[in-house]
Amino acid sequence: ELKVEQNPLFLSMQEGKNYTIYCNYSTTSDRLYWYRQDPGKSLESLFVLLSNGAVKQEGRLMASLDTKARLSTLHITAAVHDLSATYFCAVDHAGNNRKLIWGLGTSLAVNP
Amino acid sequence: ETGVTQSPTHLIKTRGQQVTLRCSSQSGHNTVSWYQQALGQGPQFIFQYYREEENGRGNFPPRFSGLQFPNYSSELNVNALELDDSALYLCASRTRGGSSYNEQFFGPGTRLTVL
Repeated sequence: ELKVEQNPLFLSMQEGKNYTIYCNYSTTSDRLYWYRQDPGKSLESLFVLLSNGAVKQEGRLMASLDTKARLSTLHITAAVHDLSATYFCAVDHAGNNRKLIWGLGTSLAVNP
Repeated sequence: ETGVTQSPTHLIKTRGQQVTLRCSSQSGHNTVSWYQQALGQGPQFIFQYYREEENGRGNFPPRFSGLQFPNYSSELNVNALELDDSALYLCASRTRGGSSYNEQFFGPGTRLTVL
C-alpha cells in the first residue's frame, strides 16, 4: 500500500530564513503534487512534478522530485509571513490521477 | 471559466441521519473525485466518477455513495452518519485523458459536523 510521509509536521521559522520540507513515498510513482491549504480553506495547487529530476520554482518556493529515492522536497527561501499555511504533498497512485495518496501535511508558521 | 463549486458550505447533522453534498465540476472537466479531510489530517480519497460511473474507490464503507450526472456534476451521499464522519469534504475535478497531466482542481469544500 502506498504511503506518503512528510516531515516535519510542524515548522516554526523566522522571516528571512530558509527551510526544506520533505516528502517520502513508499512505492513507485512518477507524479507528485504539492498543495497549500490555508485554515478553513480548500487546497491550492502549487506544483506538479512529473519526472525524475523535475524542479519547479514559483516565488520563494521550489519543489524537486527524485523518483529513485522516492523523495520530493519543498524548499522555502527567505520566508515571509504570507507563506504561513499547511503544505501537503500527494502522490499519484494507479496512474492517471485515479487516486491521490496524501501526506499528513506540514503546518508552517512564519514569525516576524 | 467557472471553477469547482460545492454546496452547502456548512452542514450540521445528528448521528444516524443522511446527508447529500453537491459538486459542480470546472467547465470542461469530466471526472470528479471526492475526498474526506478530518481536522489536522490529509485528505483521504473516497471515490472518483467518470462517465457517470464509479471509477476507483478508497477505504470507505458502502454507506458512502455517489452519483455523477450527464453535466458532470456530482453528489456524495452518506447514510447512517457517525460522529467520525465530521470532516471537510472536498470535491475535485479534472479532465481525464488527453495530453494534460490531469491536474485536479479543488472546490471550497463542505464542512460537515455530526452531533
